[in-house]
Amino acid sequence: AQKITQTQPGMFVQEKEAVTLDCTYDTSDPSYGLFWYKQPSSGEMIFLIYQGSYDQQNATEGRYSLNFQKARKSANLVISASQLGDSAMYFCAMREGRADSSYKLIFGSGTRLLVRP
Amino acid sequence: EAGVAQSPRYKIIEKRQSVAFWCNPISGHATLYWYQQILGQGPKLLIQFQNNGVVDDSQLPKDRFSAERLKGVDSTLKIQPAKLEDSAVYLCASRRTRPPYNEQFFGPGTRLTVL
Repeated sequence: AQKITQTQPGMFVQEKEAVTLDCTYDTSDPSYGLFWYKQPSSGEMIFLIYQGSYDQQNATEGRYSLNFQKARKSANLVISASQLGDSAMYFCAMREGRADSSYKLIFGSGTRLLVRP
Repeated sequence: EAGVAQSPRYKIIEKRQSVAFWCNPISGHATLYWYQQILGQGPKLLIQFQNNGVVDDSQLPKDRFSAERLKGVDSTLKIQPAKLEDSAVYLCASRRTRPPYNEQFFGPGTRLTVL
């Protein structure tokens, strides 16, 4: 069965520094996708970044980058130049099923990030 | 484009009562999802619709939960009767079926408290 593991329940980072949030996954399907979502205290899930299993390069979106190591089955999120507004829960998720099919997401347990001024 | 709409935002009920949640997805999104997020956990899929048909309801507690999407647009999720362990945030999400398909767009959620 597909599984997502986030081993860091909580993390602190100093404002303006970079931080890495860990995510490992387990799947036997050669076609899969990995997502990171941010959930502030207000509760909405905000999409941050996506990496497909066949993508040759690591995904980047502004201050967010995904360190995709396929052999190690890891998909760590790197946030550069942390801002106070980055304080939130972060969830790693994996697409089960093809992107062009009716797929569902399997979520990890999340990491709470707190940015210190 | 307008985002995924959900109502109500908050609901407090007594155990054994009934409750219903409403979701209106982004216009044109054929796929709609209902997730349950218990405090301190990641969201867990309850049911997935493609247009007005159910694609996956394997994790829906069918003895008490029901959901429908009659016209392939908005959807309702109902709990009858509610139990204490149903206290959670119920998230609705929608997704395109034409490229780019990857992202699921989430609504603000409904926070349910069962006393």
